[in-house]
Amino acid sequence: GAVVSQHPSRVICKSGTSVKIECRSLDFQATTMFWYRQFPKQSLMLMATSNEGSKATYEQGVEKDKFLINHASLTLSTLTVTSAHPEDSSFYICSAQSRAGYTFGSGTRLTVV
Amino acid sequence: SQQGEEDPQALSIQEGENATMNCSYKTSINNLQWYRQNSGRGLVHLILIRSNEREKHSGRLRVTLDTSKKSSSLLITASRAADTASYFCATDPPNRDDKIIFGKGTRLHILP
Repeated sequence: GAVVSQHPSRVICKSGTSVKIECRSLDFQATTMFWYRQFPKQSLMLMATSNEGSKATYEQGVEKDKFLINHASLTLSTLTVTSAHPEDSSFYICSAQSRAGYTFGSGTRLTVV
Repeated sequence: SQQGEEDPQALSIQEGENATMNCSYKTSINNLQWYRQNSGRGLVHLILIRSNEREKHSGRLRVTLDTSKKSSSLLITASRAADTASYFCATDPPNRDDKIIFGKGTRLHILP
């Protein structure tokens, strides 16, 4: 079946630094990937749609200069949280669509101290 | 904004009992999906029901869809401790460029 690998699973960083999260489709090509953010005990909120070879599409209210998305190949999308602050602490999940449907990564727990 | 809204928000039942969760949505849809999320983990796809289907089964799972009421239900029969998780419905409305939108989720706790 389709597998999406997301790394790292956990990261702790200092306020003001940047953090990169990777999302890879392991056995299929994904021209489109999706990035979600989830606060504790809440649902997943779509942040942006990552398009291979073109600019990402951001949802309303999501700062594109803060959350940089790069989709340089058909199997890799990255989300970089720039100049992270404690309020960016959250659970970030990526997703890709294959013929089997939507497959999700295992998520990244970001803690900004 | 959220498309779906599950109820109840939280549900605790005894092991062996059936658990029913409901999802309501606002716009028309192509299909509706249910996902499970264990605490601090990614999502696991459970079942997809298309807009022209009314009921679907998969093992101990039964999903219904009523497009006239814009609602769906997920029934888990003979619950087990391992079913403890959060359950989300997700819809992909037409004209949303393949984006799926999640409901708020139901936190299910199976008591031993």
